[in-house]
Amino acid sequence: ETGVTQTPRHLVMGMTNKKSLKCEQHLGHNAMYWYKQSAKKPLELMFVYNFKEQTENNSVPSRFSPECPNSSHLFLHLHTLQPEDSALYLCASSQEFGGHSPLHFGNGTRLTVT
Amino acid sequence: DAKTTQPNSMESNEEEPVHLPCNHSTISGTDYIHWYRQLPSQGPEYVIHGLTSNVNNRMASLAIAEDRKSSTLILHRATLRDAAVYYCILRDRGTSYGKLTFGQGTILTVHP
Repeated sequence: ETGVTQTPRHLVMGMTNKKSLKCEQHLGHNAMYWYKQSAKKPLELMFVYNFKEQTENNSVPSRFSPECPNSSHLFLHLHTLQPEDSALYLCASSQEFGGHSPLHFGNGTRLTVT
Repeated sequence: DAKTTQPNSMESNEEEPVHLPCNHSTISGTDYIHWYRQLPSQGPEYVIHGLTSNVNNRMASLAIAEDRKSSTLILHRATLRDAAVYYCILRDRGTSYGKLTFGQGTILTVHP
């Protein structure tokens, strides 16, 4: 149990589908993050939210749309994805935004785009 | 974010100590040194972090060089469950973005 819960664990979707990934943390953290982990590549930061406000969009295509309704929940809405978007999508949270605050990761959603 | 350099892989025997090195020659004075590990089919797990002094917790110890240009993660007695990819990351205390930039990490294999 990591304290950060992601659902679903696995998702298969066609290129014309619309789906959403969900992340939930009850650690009382103020910052939440989306990362993408592709095979043989380092983790790539996608989005950062601090106190529900998006503070970074790391040049992510518009087919990925994040939503943070409150400090405990984070969503990643997906539409018209490409096969190369298949990857492990990881959510993380941290108590504060500063560099001294460790990140707590969920176990990810394994996404396959067909 | 400043970059780190780690060996691609290391091996250890069970119940022996493991020293995982990390070089970060371009570290700035406000960078914290973080270590995470990722087990198969799981998200990264926080291990330890420090700024200047050596740090100990229940999982590991972090030894930081006096000039802070390198650090070593020490697992005192490796177990099979410690087999994972270990990431050394620098995180700027002063940045307005709390992001972590991950490299390729070190794949640790533990032999029974």
